[in-house]
Amino acid sequence: NAGVMQNPRHLVRRRGQEARLRCSPMKGHSHVYWYRQLPEEGLKFMVYLQKENIIDESGMPKERFSAEFPKEGPSILRIQQVVRGDSAAYFCASSPPLGQGGGYTFGSGTRLTVV
Amino acid sequence: GENVEQHPSTLSVQEGDSAVIKCTYSDSASNYFPWYKQELGKRPQLIIDIRSNVGEKKDQRIAVTLNKTAKHFSLHITETQPEDSAVYFCAARVVPGGGADGLTFGKGTHLIIQP
Repeated sequence: NAGVMQNPRHLVRRRGQEARLRCSPMKGHSHVYWYRQLPEEGLKFMVYLQKENIIDESGMPKERFSAEFPKEGPSILRIQQVVRGDSAAYFCASSPPLGQGGGYTFGSGTRLTVV
Repeated sequence: GENVEQHPSTLSVQEGDSAVIKCTYSDSASNYFPWYKQELGKRPQLIIDIRSNVGEKKDQRIAVTLNKTAKHFSLHITETQPEDSAVYFCAARVVPGGGADGLTFGKGTHLIIQP
């Protein structure tokens, strides 16, 4: 089991460009969560998805950020027109279907740097 | 929504001594409380968790206690070792959530083990 796979590990974007972060959940996990971590800070919930369905996006900024988890392929977190304040580590986590345990497994994260 | 407070933000202990990190939560419906350890530049990793139907759980040098009435839970690390140095995050959630929730994390405790 390869665990939760995130890519790229590091991403550098110029202000105004788009950033696309990918996450493949663990085998057998059907729930994906995205968290943002600023330097020296905790993990902030952004969005919770199941296949083809956004369950909770209460932590997503209203503009420029979007997420999807298509029927086939990885979950994508997209940030349009990036700004310096978007620089952070973005972690994806996955969990089994509800009722099969509450624990998350995190990926290694994507460190986004906006220059 | 849920709010998790974590204290202290930094904790320095002598090697071999015990360390205690405390968290409080606001949503009385929360019933699952994991603890994550994050080493510098790495992913958060689940180290222990507890559900609301038990008051204490132990795994070698690590233990977690839960007081549902007071809505607080604590992580106890005994006989601390240098490799215990990391940032520790507590979290809370309702399982099964049925949607519209993710883990809510505390802001983290930077544990420093002094040789």
